[in-house]
Amino acid sequence: SQQGEEDPQALSIQEGENATMNCSYKTSINNLQWYRQNSGRGLVHLILIRSNEREKHSGRLRVTLDTSKKSSSLLITASRAADTASYFCATDAAGANSKLTFGKGITLSVRP
Amino acid sequence: NAGVTQTPKFQVLKTGQSMTLQCAQDMNHNSMYWYRQDPGMGLRLIYYSASEGTTDKGEVPNGYNVSRLNKREFSLRLESAAPSQTSVYFCATNRDRGMDTQYFGPGTRLTVL
Repeated sequence: SQQGEEDPQALSIQEGENATMNCSYKTSINNLQWYRQNSGRGLVHLILIRSNEREKHSGRLRVTLDTSKKSSSLLITASRAADTASYFCATDAAGANSKLTFGKGITLSVRP
Repeated sequence: NAGVTQTPKFQVLKTGQSMTLQCAQDMNHNSMYWYRQDPGMGLRLIYYSASEGTTDKGEVPNGYNVSRLNKREFSLRLESAAPSQTSVYFCATNRDRGMDTQYFGPGTRLTVL
C-alpha cells in the first residue's frame, strides 16, 4: 500500500519558473525523503527531512514538512530544462519494522 | 567506486523460464533492497536484507526469492517467470534500514513473454 501520495501527478512549467510538488502521507514518520528519477535511470536521493524538522534547503531545493497535516512540499526554484524528471517522495514510517515506502511520483517537464 | 551495480541491464524471458538478477555494492552498506517499478504504481518493495545473513519479505514477494550472498551482493531470483513480472527492477542499499538515504542501481528491464 502506498504511504506517500504526490500531487500533482504531472507538472509542466517554463524554464526559470518555480516548481512546487506536494506529498501527503498517512501514518507517523521518522523522516521523509525526496528522490529524482531521470528517464531510464535509477532514483537519486535529493533531500531528507526528519520529523522534528520543518524546513530544509539544498541548493535550489526547499523542502517543508508539516507533521500535523501529514504533508510535505518540494520547491525547485529557477527551474532548468535539466530538472525534467520524475520526482518521488518516500516515507520512513515510525515503528520497529519501518521500511521506506515510495509514492507513485510526479512527472515534471521544464520547457526551455 | 562503482556504487550499486546491477546485471543484466535488459532481459527477455519466456513464461516459465527462470533467471537471477544480480546486485552488488561497494559502499560497505548493511542493508540492501529489491524493488519493482511499474507504470502508475511507483516503486514497490519485493524483499530486503537488513544485514548480511538476513532477508525479509516486502510488499510484493510472491514469485520471487532472494539470497544475500555476502555483504556486497544481493540477488533476486524468479523461479518460473510470469508476464505479470514484466517490470523494471531496482536494487538499492543504505547504511542501516530505515534511517538513511538509499542509493539505487541503474535497473534491470525485464520482459516476460
